[in-house]
Amino acid sequence: DAGITQSPRYKITETGRQVTLMCHQTWSHSYMFWYRQDLGHGLRLIYYSAAADITDKGEVPDGYVVSRSKTENFPLTLESATRSQTSVYFCASSESGDRGSNEQFFGPGTRLTVL
Amino acid sequence: GNSVTQMEGPVTLSEEAFLTINCTYTATGYPSLFWYVQYPGEGLQLLLKATKADDKGSNKGFEATYRKETTSFHLEKGSVQVSDSAVYFCALSDDPYSGAGSYQLTFGKGTKLSVIP
Repeated sequence: DAGITQSPRYKITETGRQVTLMCHQTWSHSYMFWYRQDLGHGLRLIYYSAAADITDKGEVPDGYVVSRSKTENFPLTLESATRSQTSVYFCASSESGDRGSNEQFFGPGTRLTVL
Repeated sequence: GNSVTQMEGPVTLSEEAFLTINCTYTATGYPSLFWYVQYPGEGLQLLLKATKADDKGSNKGFEATYRKETTSFHLEKGSVQVSDSAVYFCALSDDPYSGAGSYQLTFGKGTKLSVIP
């Protein structure tokens, strides 16, 4: 399917477990992003990537790890899940190099519950 | 750093009422400004955008004008419908001409709109 997809859509895990959320885009966009959405906080940037093998921290990176070996994939890993990481996670992608066109395209989200 | 402040909700309106959702921002230079909409259970979709001062973004009857002098980007619609019920997010991205562009978006906290028949 064309576009940006996330998997799984729903995940329940336990404290201390490792969890990986997947994100895949078919547009060959250079930039990819991970956000978390929580009531009262809106969307907060966790990590972003400007290209394959280039990643950088966002506003709330602690407890998360990312990698980007291929342009189309940008997995997010919670190394040891905590209850505070219960949230809805959104992946997004964006083209680069076109001034003023910073529009981001969002995936459908993954609802993660940490028990 | 960049920040976006938008009016807190929830906002409840009757069908065909006029809608305004206020958004102000703090940023250096000339950021791009966006309104995103999130329908229940879905991801965010771009509603409209403006990339320079005095630009007006419009889509689906919604409008917003980039006001540099008041650092605002208020969302308006003349006649809302039940199908407009959603959460609306104002956002900005780095000035693309600043050379520091990381293409990050800074979001407001969102305003939930409910439209009743």
